[in-house]
This record gives sequence, structure tokens and C-alpha cells, in this order.
Amino acid sequence: KNEVEQSPQNLTAQEGEFITINCSYSVGISALHWLQQHPGGGIVSLFMLSSGKKKHGRLIATINIQEKHSSLHITASHPRDSAVYICAVVEYGNKLVFGAGTILRVKS
Amino acid sequence: DTAVSQTPKYLVTQMGNDKSIKCEQNLGHDTMYWYKQDSKKFLKIMFSYNNKELIINETVPNRFSPKSPDKAHLNLHINSLELGDSAVYFCASSQDGVSGNTIYFGEGSWLTVV
Repeated sequence: KNEVEQSPQNLTAQEGEFITINCSYSVGISALHWLQQHPGGGIVSLFMLSSGKKKHGRLIATINIQEKHSSLHITASHPRDSAVYICAVVEYGNKLVFGAGTILRVKS
Repeated sequence: DTAVSQTPKYLVTQMGNDKSIKCEQNLGHDTMYWYKQDSKKFLKIMFSYNNKELIINETVPNRFSPKSPDKAHLNLHINSLELGDSAVYFCASSQDGVSGNTIYFGEGSWLTVV
């Protein structure tokens, strides 16, 4: 079992829908990253958080350290949001451990 | 200007060859990384350097040797390439470790061993 579990693995949504991607982890961490990988392969950092909630445009990320859970929300989804969303936790020792990713497709 | 640039982007080579992938960052960051993304798209840390010093060395065959001539460069040399080395290799950097700092990734190097 992977230390970082993401759900769902695949998600198809209609344009405009509210989307939630979940990340659960089983180890102690110092921070958590949400990453976006586009079909071309490039990886972009969306959020780094260690507590609470962060918002950037239509994206919102939350983390509950006690429950070892984080969520990434996309409001008013758009086809250009189609990508793989990856949760990665920072284990003590400063090592990133990645989830398997959630493949999101937003249809117009 | 690309913040983290790696070359080559695509590399097709035969088994047994030795190849290098180069990485440079112009962000002034202290920490650089190599990650491997396998055929199932799963990312895993290989190496991490902080100011030219190796700080993370995961269970990677010793055919893989990172070299950091200065803190802006981290190159990956692979000896005696095997079919299983086929993957996408990502270089990345951050100001100082991955806790509390944004990570910047290169565009990836697609390595195919035939």
C-alpha cells in the first residue's frame, strides 16, 4: 500500500462543475504539495501547505494534519483544467513521496 | 528564460550505452533534485543535492551517478543502460528543501532504452 493515496484515480466532469480530489497519507509529514502535470508532461506546483487552506484563482487546497487528509478543489471547471493532479507529501528528512495522481478530464 | 532547464528532452539509446542528462536552474536555489517517472506515471525521488552536497540518495542502482559542479547545475550520468531505465527523468529545484518551499520542475527528459 502506497504511503500516499489519491482518489479518484480518474475523473470526468462537465465544464462548470465543482471538482474535488482527495489525498490521504499514512506517515508524519511537514508539508504537502499539490502538483499539476499537463498532457505534454510538464509539472507545475499549484500549492504547498502545512496547515489550513490556500486559494489561488479557481483552485482551493485544504489540509487536515490530524486526519492526515488534504483536498484540492476546482471551482467552475474548464477544459483547460484537464491534467493529472498529483499529491506529494514531505516526509521528515525532507523527502517528497508522491501519490499516483488523479487524471482529470473536463468536457465542454 | 526557463527557470529549470534540462537537456536532452528526448533520448533514444541502446542497452549498454552510457548517457548523461544535464540540468540547470537560474533561480538561485540551493537545492536540486532528480525524480524518475516510470511507465505507470509514478514519480519517485532519486537524488537531492543542497549547495553541491548530496543529501538524499534513494535506493538507486549505482549505475546512476549525479554530479553537481555548482549549485546551479545537477547532472545525471547513467552507465550501462538497461531496458528498465526507460522513463521520464525530471530535474527540479527549490530554495531550501521541499518543506515550506515551492518546487520548480524542468520539462522532463524522455529516455528510451532499446
